[in-house]
This record gives sequence, C-alpha cells and structure tokens, in this order.
Amino acid sequence: GAVVSQHPSWVICKSGTSVKIECRSLDFQATTMFWYRQFPKQSLMLMATSNEGSKATYEQGVEKDKFLINHASLTLSTLTVTSAHPEDSSFYICSAPEGRSDTQYFGPGTRLTVL
Amino acid sequence: RKEVEQDPGPFNVPEGATVAFNCTYSNSASQSFFWYRQDCRKEPKLLMSVYSSGNEDGRFTAQLNRASQYISLLIRDSKLSDSATYLCVVPRSSGGYQKVTFGIGTKLQVIP
Repeated sequence: GAVVSQHPSWVICKSGTSVKIECRSLDFQATTMFWYRQFPKQSLMLMATSNEGSKATYEQGVEKDKFLINHASLTLSTLTVTSAHPEDSSFYICSAPEGRSDTQYFGPGTRLTVL
Repeated sequence: RKEVEQDPGPFNVPEGATVAFNCTYSNSASQSFFWYRQDCRKEPKLLMSVYSSGNEDGRFTAQLNRASQYISLLIRDSKLSDSATYLCVVPRSSGGYQKVTFGIGTKLQVIP
C-alpha cells in the first residue's frame, strides 16, 4: 500500500508555544490530505481537509486560527497547533487517499503533550 | 442513528476461537466500507475493504448487509497477535466522497 510519513512522532512542549507537524506522501501525490485527532479511548475525529493549492476546510467546532494547515505541495501538508494548551494534548494523525479511492493511508501519528 | 456505531467491547476470547463484530451505519447510500486495525498508540492500518456483499482474506471475513445497514467482521482461529482495536469506517453522508467517519472501535483481546 501507499506510504505516508509524519514528523515528529512525538513532541512535548510548554503551554503557549506553537508546534508544527508534517505529513508527507512518500510514493504518491496527494491533492487532499486529512488531519485527525484522537483522544484516549475515543475514535478518530476529522479536524480538517487539507487541499493542495487552496484553503483547508475545517470541521465544525475546529478553530481554523488555532490549527493552521498548509498544503505546500502535492506530497506535503503541515498542521501547526498555535498557542498550544494542555487540552490540545492528543494523538494527531494525517491520512491521504491514493488516487480517487476511498481507502485512506495513515501516517504513523504524532503524539503531542502540552505541559 | 449515529453515522457509525460499534460496540466498544472489550471482547476477551481464547486463542483459536472465532469472534465476530458488527458495525451499523446510517448512510444508506454508502457504497464502500472498511475495517481498520489499530494497535495501542499506533495509527490505523487497513485490514479489509467491502464493496459488495463481502470479502474474505485468510482468517478474516467481512460481510455487508445493506438491508439492515451493517457490516460485520469475522475472525476465525484467533491468534494472540489479533489483539487490537478494530475500527469500522464508512464514507460520509456529505462533504466529498473521500471523507470518512470512524466508529469508536471494538477492542479485541485474545487470551492464551
């Protein structure tokens, strides 16, 4: 299957700082990527859709000014958590569909801990 | 009805047992469905896709019942390595064909 990478795998930061997470499709191009968040014992919740060459679309309840998304190229999307707070601590996962398939290929995830 | 509904479990089964999970969905127009496996603190990995009546891959069988709007996952001859959370994934009712909704997942623990 297709390969998606994420960096970093984990990050610990102080409250108030910003954290950037990268998502890359390694062996295919992705005009669309998805960003999810997963809290312990909960399902993955879609945060936003990252679109190459245009603005991201955010799910209801997700603050676009807090979670900045940039889809710089056909293989890279970044999520920046601005002014992070302890309640932002979570597992952030990106995914990309290959071609026009509904199948999602996931990055390994980034575990964010905000102190 | 929720978009995707799963029994969170846990299902504790002995090695070698057969276990089945169900997942109900609300979007009657959905054409494709997926089962993903997620290990603790890891990303989900695709296990099976279901496009018509069902799919079989070794010890794993996925079936689709459109009339009742549910999909099932059957695991035969359970192995210790099957212990994981199994996520049911269904395309969304709206917002583009590639957006999907995840169920909460069913936790399986295979016991020696």
